[in-house]
Amino acid sequence: EAQVTQNPRYLITVTGKKLTVTCSQNMNHEYMSWYRQDPGLGLRQIYYSMNVEVTDKGDVPEGYKVSRKEKRNFPLILESPSPNQTSLYFCASKGFGGSNTEAFFGQGTRLTVV
Amino acid sequence: AQKITQTQPGMFVQEKEAVTLDCTYDTSDPSYGLFWYKQPSSGEMIFLIYQGSYDQQNATEGRYSLNFQKARKSANLVISASQLGDSAMYFCAMRENFGNEKLTFGTGTRLTIIP
Repeated sequence: EAQVTQNPRYLITVTGKKLTVTCSQNMNHEYMSWYRQDPGLGLRQIYYSMNVEVTDKGDVPEGYKVSRKEKRNFPLILESPSPNQTSLYFCASKGFGGSNTEAFFGQGTRLTVV
Repeated sequence: AQKITQTQPGMFVQEKEAVTLDCTYDTSDPSYGLFWYKQPSSGEMIFLIYQGSYDQQNATEGRYSLNFQKARKSANLVISASQLGDSAMYFCAMRENFGNEKLTFGTGTRLTIIP
C-alpha cells in the first residue's frame, strides 16, 4: 500500500530536549516536505527536499532541521524544542511529472512541548 | 496578502443536501494547481480533488466537484448529497510553479452534517 508513515503519532516532551520525528514514504517520490498546522493558520511549510541531499527552507524553518540521506526518509529534527513548537506536524511526498499531481500526507504527529 | 482565502470558518448542513465551500486565491503565476483536502477528526489529510489552471473543464471526483472560475480567482468545492461522514475540516490549497512544490493552504472550513 502506497503510504507516508510518520512516527511517533503523539509526543509530549520538555523544553530543550532534542527530538526527531521520522517520515518514510514507499512511493519512490523525489519530493518531500514538512508542514505544521496551527489553529487559524492552516498548514505552513517548514522545510522541503527536491531529492536526496537537496533540502531548503520553507516559510517557517526557525528551530527545525532536516536531512535527506535516503530517498525514502526525511526526518524532522528539533534540536532544542520550545513551547511555540507545539503543533500538529505533517510530512508529505510527491512524485514529479506526468500524472503526479497531488501530495500524499502522513498521518500527522501531534507534538506538545511543556 | 492572503494567497488562499476561505471565508467560512464553520458550516452546518442538513444531511443529503448539497454544500458549497468557498475558496478564493491570489497568484501572478499563469500556471498553478488548486487542491482540496479533507481532514476528519482523526487528523489525517485526505486528497479530494485537483484543478489545473489550464484545465478547460471543472474537475469532478464522485460526489465532489470543483467550481473553477478563473477570472474571479475562485475554486469552490461542491459536495453533492452530503453524508454524515462528510463532517470534517476542509482545506483549499494552491501550488504555484516557482520550483518548490509547496502547497499554500487556506485556514480551513469546518463542515458539520446534521442528521
